[in-house]
Amino acid sequence: AAGVIQSPRHLIKEKRETATLKCYPIPRHDTVYWYQQGPGQDPQFLISFYEKMQSDKGSIPDRFSAQQFSDYHSELNMSSLELGDSALYFCASSSRERGGPKETQYFGPGTRLLVL
Amino acid sequence: AQKITQTQPGMFVQEKEAVTLDCTYDTSDPSYGLFWYKQPSSGEMIFLIYQGSYDQQNATEGRYSLNFQKARKSANLVISASQLGDSAMYFCAMREGHSGNTPLVFGKGTRLSVIA
Repeated sequence: AAGVIQSPRHLIKEKRETATLKCYPIPRHDTVYWYQQGPGQDPQFLISFYEKMQSDKGSIPDRFSAQQFSDYHSELNMSSLELGDSALYFCASSSRERGGPKETQYFGPGTRLLVL
Repeated sequence: AQKITQTQPGMFVQEKEAVTLDCTYDTSDPSYGLFWYKQPSSGEMIFLIYQGSYDQQNATEGRYSLNFQKARKSANLVISASQLGDSAMYFCAMREGHSGNTPLVFGKGTRLSVIA
């Protein structure tokens, strides 16, 4: 079965640089979520999109922005990177159209970002 | 207040034995979903099992079962016949509301080590 695809898998950046993370959801999934997991931490919700519109917003810094495109893939843009942005960034997708509360979020393999 | 509480930072279990990982949750919403994810050292987040707030029976998926006690607001994960490959971090998570695409809130996780 197709899974969530994220690229790149690993990224090394310098402070104050920018980074773009990409996510390709499971086919026919209409909702994409971004989570950030710091070292030794639980994942924290950043932002989500349903049918290409922003759906919920979590603890996403103003330096970050995201969007979902017409083909449902999503990109997380991160600017003015700081050391504290070093983390594992997950994209997850789910389908609301299945009906009811059983829409499980399936996670991609994550992008490991290291800011030096 | 913590919405998801996992009180066991680490657990050890002998191979082939059963183990219970604790999870309590806090919500005033009558409609919610509870999830367990496994995160091996490689980092990916693997969905294990789901329990809906209106489900009458405890969820089971192969060797995984969920001991759902609604009045106590607990959703403990039971892994039967532990295997060495079960060694990983386990996260309990909750989604609130009837809409299927609200973000997940995670607990701090429990690190399970299976001993041969």
